[in-house]
Amino acid sequence: ETGVTQTPRHLVMGMTNKKSLKCEQHLGHNAMYWYKQSAKKPLELMFVYNFKEQTENNSVPSRFSPECPNSSHLFLHLHTLQPEDSALYLCASSQDLGGRSGNTIYFGEGSWLTVV
Amino acid sequence: QKEVEQNSGPLSVPEGAIASLNCTYSDRGSQSFFWYRQYSGKSPELIMFIYSNGDKEDGRFTAQLNKASQYVSLLIRDSQPSDSATYLCAVNDSNYQLIWGAGTKLIIKP
Repeated sequence: ETGVTQTPRHLVMGMTNKKSLKCEQHLGHNAMYWYKQSAKKPLELMFVYNFKEQTENNSVPSRFSPECPNSSHLFLHLHTLQPEDSALYLCASSQDLGGRSGNTIYFGEGSWLTVV
Repeated sequence: QKEVEQNSGPLSVPEGAIASLNCTYSDRGSQSFFWYRQYSGKSPELIMFIYSNGDKEDGRFTAQLNKASQYVSLLIRDSQPSDSATYLCAVNDSNYQLIWGAGTKLIIKP
């Protein structure tokens, strides 16, 4: 248990569906992240929020829409996805922003997404 | 483009031996270096971070950093079957965002 909870753990959706991934952190952290993990590829940073404000959007297609209502909750809204979007989506949080010494990033268990 | 390179493996090591995992990075301005472990079907978890040249030891794990040669390594002594996992190297860039390697799969054979 890392203190970062993601739901659902598994999601199968059609290309015309709308669904959302939810993340909640119980660690009192200020920064939250969405990552995409595909087989044999590096983790891809999608979105970063710091104190509820989006600070990074790494050229992610608009069919992925993040929402951060407060410092503890993060959503990823999914709409008209493509089969190549099938992957593990990881939510993470850290006390401060980014890769500073001692600023451990804690990951949730991930949401396995399959687009059919 | 800033990159972090790791051998994908699998790296097979006998139980009780030393496992050596390597990582090279391209951004000379990087200052912090992290090793995460990811078991199959699970999320990554931090093992160690290092930011000074030289060695840093924590139990059976030793991280080694050589900024001049732009590589960081992780040594696991007395390898156990429970160490079998994928090991991810992450390096910060000048904006303190982490750049990740694709990971090395380690298999410890009993």
